Amino acid sequence: AQSVTQPDIHITVSEGASLELRCNYSYGATPYLFWYVQSPGQGLQLLLKYFSGDTLVQGIKGFEAEFKRSQSSFNLRKPSVHWSDAAEYFCAVGRLSGGYNKLIFGAGTRLAVHP
Amino acid sequence: DGGITQSPKYLFRKEGQNVTLSCEQNLNHDAMYWYRQDPGQGLRLIYYSQIVNDFQKGDIAEGYSVSREKKESFPLTVTSAQKNPTAFYLCASSPGPGKNNEQFFGPGTRLTVL
Repeated sequence: AQSVTQPDIHITVSEGASLELRCNYSYGATPYLFWYVQSPGQGLQLLLKYFSGDTLVQGIKGFEAEFKRSQSSFNLRKPSVHWSDAAEYFCAVGRLSGGYNKLIFGAGTRLAVHP
Repeated sequence: DGGITQSPKYLFRKEGQNVTLSCEQNLNHDAMYWYRQDPGQGLRLIYYSQIVNDFQKGDIAEGYSVSREKKESFPLTVTSAQKNPTAFYLCASSPGPGKNNEQFFGPGTRLTVL
């Protein structure tokens, strides 16, 4: 069965420091991978997505993610974190069902940013 | 502005009562979805609909029901059969079929059972 693991429940970084959020997936075929961000009490916003091609994907707000098939990973990175990046981050894998993407989410990583 | 609206933002109900959560989209998307979010568990799919008058159960459909009478609307009813309904509920939509299509999310409804 498909699954997504985000090993870190909470991460705290200082403003200006680099960030890497880990995501590992289990999926038999070529995965369709997504990172979403959620501010408290809000919906989810897509940061970036990977379907094929270049394994380094650029997203919004200065985020990027690298797909590594050999490690079944899709880690999210940002070179310099801003206080406004404090939020919860979800990795998801899409599985096609009837032609439509059904998403399987990880449990999320909550990011805190120290000034 | 195009987007997804969910109402109400906060909802309280007594045990044993059914309650309906609203989800409307003006993105002209074919597919709509309902997710439940609990702390530490990510999002879990309740129901989804690919076209009007058709919907399928997701991973945790027990105690929930939906309808899709209009393309822009996908209301979710939380019935009294749902054993633990207190949660944050998110509605999403996506364009036509295809692996490249992301899901767009509404702002959510927080349901509390008293």
